[in-house]
Amino acid sequence: GDSVTQMEGPVTLSEEAFLTINCTYTATGYPSLFWYVQYPGEGLQLLLKATKADDKGSNKGFEATYRKETTSFHLEKGSVQVSDSAVYFCALSGPSPLNDYKLSFGAGTTVTVRA
Amino acid sequence: DAMVIQNPRYQVTQFGKPVTLSCSQTLNHNVMYWYQQKSSQAPKLLFHYYDKDFNNEADTPDNFQSRRPNTSFCFLDIRSPGLGDAAMYLCATSRDMAGSNTQYFGPGTRLTVL
Repeated sequence: GDSVTQMEGPVTLSEEAFLTINCTYTATGYPSLFWYVQYPGEGLQLLLKATKADDKGSNKGFEATYRKETTSFHLEKGSVQVSDSAVYFCALSGPSPLNDYKLSFGAGTTVTVRA
Repeated sequence: DAMVIQNPRYQVTQFGKPVTLSCSQTLNHNVMYWYQQKSSQAPKLLFHYYDKDFNNEADTPDNFQSRRPNTSFCFLDIRSPGLGDAAMYLCATSRDMAGSNTQYFGPGTRLTVL
């Protein structure tokens, strides 16, 4: 079935460092891809998404490009801040006709940014 | 702002004592979901409503029930909570069932079972 493999954490960085979190997927067809962020004690917030190959999602300085050839959707940010400390989940949904809506999540990557 | 609201944010119940968690939305979305998230794990889908149509995931225990009296509200009922049901419960909504749609999550209710 459809699945997401996400870089394991925890990841600890200094402020202004470059962040990358690897995410690869297994799916038939062309799923939609998402990055969600979860701050301590909170629900999930959509960070960015891409719905077709070569699309780039971006938000709050984060970027990820939907790469069909490598089945990847890696998350990057050029200069992290302490406020970026959170758990990041890569997820996919579709394109199965029966389960199009279902989000398949990666295990989550905990990122801690030190001042 | 349009949003997904969950009440209460923290709920403490006793072993075996029924508990109800509440979710409301101002997005006017057709689909509402309930997820269970245990510590350091990804969310796990329990069930969803598309309008009034209820869909239970195959591995959701019978102990978990849900009600959706109208478009805006959805409730999660745990009939006899066990210690293993302690978790964060997340409500989410989406406009419809297409995979490209974003699911919008509420802040969650953290359930403690004593």
